[in-house]
Amino acid sequence: DGGITQSPKYLFRKEGQNVTLSCEQNLNHDAMYWHRQDPGQGLRLIYYSQIVNDFQKGDIAEGYSVSREKKESFPLTVTSAQKNPTAFYLCASSIGTGFNQPQHFGDGTRLSIL
Amino acid sequence: AQKITQTQPGMFVQEKEAVTLDCTYDTSDQSYGLFWYKQPSSGEMIFLIYQGSYDEQNATEGRYSLNFQKARKSANLVISASQLGDSAMYFCAMRPLNTNAGKSTFGDGTTLTVKP
Repeated sequence: DGGITQSPKYLFRKEGQNVTLSCEQNLNHDAMYWHRQDPGQGLRLIYYSQIVNDFQKGDIAEGYSVSREKKESFPLTVTSAQKNPTAFYLCASSIGTGFNQPQHFGDGTRLSIL
Repeated sequence: AQKITQTQPGMFVQEKEAVTLDCTYDTSDQSYGLFWYKQPSSGEMIFLIYQGSYDEQNATEGRYSLNFQKARKSANLVISASQLGDSAMYFCAMRPLNTNAGKSTFGDGTTLTVKP
C-alpha cells in the first residue's frame, strides 16, 4: 500500500539537543511538507519542498531545518534554537503544488521536552 | 495573505442526522482550492473533499458535500446521515494558485461529536 511513514511516533528532547523526525513516502509525489500542530489549533507550515534538492520556508521555519536529497524522504530537524518544540508534527505530500491537489498525511510525531 | 475562519469550536449532532460545519475564507487570489480534512483522535489527517474556486457545482463525495458560496466566501461542509465514526476534528483549508502554492492555510478546526 502507498502511503507516508513518519517515525518515531513519540520523541523526547533534552534541552540543547537537536532531534530529527523522519518522513518517507512511496506515493511518487513531488511535493512534501512539514506542519506543526499545537493543542486545539490548526496546522502551521514549517517547510515545504516542491522537488528534490529544493525547499522553501513556511510560516514558522525558525529553529527548524530540512533536507530533500531523495524524492521519497523529507526529514525535519528540530534544533536547539527552537525554544518551544513541544507539539504534534505532521508530514504530508502531494502530487505537486497545484491549487487543486490535496495533501496526504502521515500519522504524526509527538515531540515533548524532557 | 489568506485566512480561514471556522467559528464553531465544537458541534454536537445526533446519529443519522445531518450537520453543517462552517468555513469562511479571505483571499485576494482569483483562483484557489478549498479542502476539508478530518482528524480523528488518533491524529492522522484524512482528506475528505475538494472545491475549486471556478467550479460551478458544489462538490460531493459520498456523505460529504460542500456548500460553496463564492460571493460570501464560504465553503461549509455538510455531513449527511452522521455516524459515530464521524466524531473527530474537522479542518477547512485553502490553497492559492500563485507562486506560494505550496502554502496551504488551515483553520483552527471544529470538533464534531456524534451522539448515539
